[in-house]
Amino acid sequence: DTAVSQTPKYLVTQMGNDKSIKCEQNLGHDTMYWYKQDSKKFLKIMFSYNNKELIINETVPNRFSPKSPDKAHLNLHINSLELGDSAVYFCASSQVDSTDTQYFGPGTRLTVL
Amino acid sequence: GQSLEQPSEVTAVEGAIVQINCTYQTSGFYGLSWYQQHDGGAPTFLSYNALDGLEETGRFSSFLSRSDSYGYLLLQELQMKDSASYFCAVRDRGGATNKLIFGTGTLLAVQP
Repeated sequence: DTAVSQTPKYLVTQMGNDKSIKCEQNLGHDTMYWYKQDSKKFLKIMFSYNNKELIINETVPNRFSPKSPDKAHLNLHINSLELGDSAVYFCASSQVDSTDTQYFGPGTRLTVL
Repeated sequence: GQSLEQPSEVTAVEGAIVQINCTYQTSGFYGLSWYQQHDGGAPTFLSYNALDGLEETGRFSSFLSRSDSYGYLLLQELQMKDSASYFCAVRDRGGATNKLIFGTGTLLAVQP
């Protein structure tokens, strides 16, 4: 029944490590997104993929590398983690012509120590 | 660019009506969306207004005035479970792609 799922839900790691977050949607949507929500709850888009093709890259440090093996999956790999990367990362999906109506995953709370 | 302004916090009592305002500045406007996010949860789509006027969905209604670059979310018969953050959002068309720009969110506290 889960529409958009993410793993893991919590991630605690040391500075300098590399980690990945996985996202899957079973809604049949063409477009998937990664958002970062900081401690002040500001929700900002990082990346967007349409049918496996990167269409939005919001000046995110190149330590962040998204990958979409197919249109139902979007993963996020982060290299050399920094303290400032601590946040909640949300995956979302929508139909390509329904950007305003997005379905979000449960989020991954990343804590960098 | 786009910017959206919302009050940071609103407090109301159970059973009351509360209105959460959103003013926006955009270079091109398609419509205004509203999302709800409970503490520790994911944003959930509530409503979308592309045209002026009031859209009602149960206890929640959303209003848009394009000429005033203004909209609001109206919550009636407030319940404790309505305590959450509410975000307005507009679509930004950058080049050939669309993305959602979210407001800073309004934390609604419903008190007994």
